[in-house]
Amino acid sequence: EVQLVESGGGLVQPGGSLRLSCVGSGFTFSSFSMSWVRQAPGKGLEWVAHIKQDESEKYYLDSVRGRFTISRDNAKNSLSLQMNSLRAEDTAVYYCVRDFSSGDSHEYWGQGTLVTVSS
Amino acid sequence: QSVLTQPPSASGTPGQRVTISCSGSNSNIGNNYIYWYQQLPGTAPKLLIYWNNQRPSGVPDRFSGSKSGTSASLAISGLRSEDEADYYCAAWDDSLSGRVFGGGTKLTVL
Repeated sequence: EVQLVESGGGLVQPGGSLRLSCVGSGFTFSSFSMSWVRQAPGKGLEWVAHIKQDESEKYYLDSVRGRFTISRDNAKNSLSLQMNSLRAEDTAVYYCVRDFSSGDSHEYWGQGTLVTVSS
Repeated sequence: QSVLTQPPSASGTPGQRVTISCSGSNSNIGNNYIYWYQQLPGTAPKLLIYWNNQRPSGVPDRFSGSKSGTSASLAISGLRSEDEADYYCAAWDDSLSGRVFGGGTKLTVL
């Protein structure tokens, strides 16, 4: 069974930093591209960042580029999102996503971790 | 506002067929696959449709997707109370080099 478990969310002051982690199990982590998607309270989904299997390509939402860094450790089946210079508008539930794969025709989402940026 | 445009709400009675539209541009829907998601209250989104009109295993065939040009739609036939949820469309956007979502459509089963 595929599982994605996020951690690292919490309350942080504006301008502060936070590192989110996601551990995957039940699949060969190194074979799949991964993403972070967020959802502000009561709002819709917003894609944040994407990383290829071997970290050869990384893509970011314009509003987080330069502040957020996506990375992965395939040996530890782990995905991370380092978030710096946090703003109130970054407040959201952050979901770890195993991107769609034609291999098993599925996409998987974690349960999400809440990040609150407030003084 | 979202790059992909969806109606904020839709509704239907049990057994009815409802459709949800998603409008974009050549840089996203026009040139890439569309995906649809269902988000039940308090839960993570679930993939409903991939590659415009394909269903992952386990998704009932009451759900179907279509795409024409820079627009797409999700159809739900034989509406059930458990279909009451938020629905999102998504596609890769070549101009933004990122994934874009619609604003979401809240489906109410009357």
